[in-house]
Amino acid sequence: AQTVTQSQPEMSVQEAETVTLSCTYDTSENNYYLFWYKQPPSRQMILVIRQEAYKQQNATENRFSVNFQKAAKSFSLKISDSQLGDTAMYFCAFMNPSTGNQFYFGTGTSLTVIP
Amino acid sequence: ETGVTQSPTHLIKTRGQQVTLRCSSQSGHNTVSWYQQALGQGPQFIFQYYREEENGRGNFPPRFSGLQFPNYSSELNVNALELDDSALYLCASSYERGPYGYTFGSGTRLTVV
Repeated sequence: AQTVTQSQPEMSVQEAETVTLSCTYDTSENNYYLFWYKQPPSRQMILVIRQEAYKQQNATENRFSVNFQKAAKSFSLKISDSQLGDTAMYFCAFMNPSTGNQFYFGTGTSLTVIP
Repeated sequence: ETGVTQSPTHLIKTRGQQVTLRCSSQSGHNTVSWYQQALGQGPQFIFQYYREEENGRGNFPPRFSGLQFPNYSSELNVNALELDDSALYLCASSYERGPYGYTFGSGTRLTVV
């Protein structure tokens, strides 16, 4: 079974500063996909960024970037220039389509951006 | 029509009752997945439907069942409700199976008393 671990239940950051959220996962597969999803109070899960395991280059989406360490099975999210709208729950997720089209989610990190 | 709509937004049921939750996907989305998110936890996969057939199931008992309809809507049915079924239920749809293009709804908050 795939497991995803987020060891930081809560984090806070000052507006305009940078914060890094941690995620580790466990799998014996070689080809898989990793995701960071944001869940604001509206409850809808919103995709922040995606990384294909076969790509060595770390994914970047505007202020969001990842540090993907495949050998260490680590997938951290860096948010630069934090904004008040970034306040939300952040979930790390794993999918291996060859064994099932399901997301395995971590337990989440609650991020608060302080004005 | 864009987005994924779930109804109702909130629901209170009594232990032992049955409940039906609904999800209206974007037009053309052939795949729908349902997740259970208990308080303080990440979502857990219940099952997925692709072109109206079940296409994968998580570790949930048979009293959790589903349907997907040709009009891109779907249902999650739960029989014999238990207190532990209290959770946020999310649906997510996409055009095809695979890792891309999922749109999540805002969920149904089910409380079992």
